[in-house]
Amino acid sequence: KAGVTQTPRYLIKTRGQQVTLSCSPISGHRSVSWYQQTPGQGLQFLFEYFSETQRNKGNFPGRFSGRQFSNSRSEMNVSTLELGDSALYLCASMDRGERGTEAFFGQGTRLTVV
Amino acid sequence: AQSVAQPEDQVNVAEGNPLTVKCTYSVSGNPYLFWYVQYPNRGLQFLLKYITGDNLVKGSYGFEAEFNKSQTSFHLKKPSALVSDSALYFCAVRVLLNSGNTPLVFGKGTRLSVIA
Repeated sequence: KAGVTQTPRYLIKTRGQQVTLSCSPISGHRSVSWYQQTPGQGLQFLFEYFSETQRNKGNFPGRFSGRQFSNSRSEMNVSTLELGDSALYLCASMDRGERGTEAFFGQGTRLTVV
Repeated sequence: AQSVAQPEDQVNVAEGNPLTVKCTYSVSGNPYLFWYVQYPNRGLQFLLKYITGDNLVKGSYGFEAEFNKSQTSFHLKKPSALVSDSALYFCAVRVLLNSGNTPLVFGKGTRLSVIA
């Protein structure tokens, strides 16, 4: 089985621009979560989608949004980029998202805002 | 609110010695606890989890963790450290609330350095 695939692996954007990141979960998995990882804040939860519906949302501003398609692939969008948005963005997939299920992570997208 | 603490930013251990990476949690319900490892420029890899049952959980690469409910801890251990174990380790917790599943909440990570 192929793992979680995130594209692109690296991105450089300018302040004020917007960006879209993509995540393809493991085949058959219906839950996709997104996390932001920075050296200072660690891993922070952005949102979770399950069967195209947002199931959980973290404490991030409205500039951060996401969606999930019928094939379970997910995208997250960040508008009006700020320097502080520079981070590693990780996507994780689970089959049903039940509490005892481990999440499988992609390699991440490294976003640099200049 | 649920939270996870990893009190040590860095742990150094000599190759061949036992290692322990500490984790404590604070939740309002029954915790589901996980350990992940991250190598440079990579995503997180699942090591092991505690759901219920035996307090000692065995996982990948010879790692194990001990769940201690009274101390609200879930420390990661390995009897004999390898240089290749050097990485960033994350403890995480998930709780089931009446409103539904909660997302994974991670500790800030502990950098393990195994010295030859």
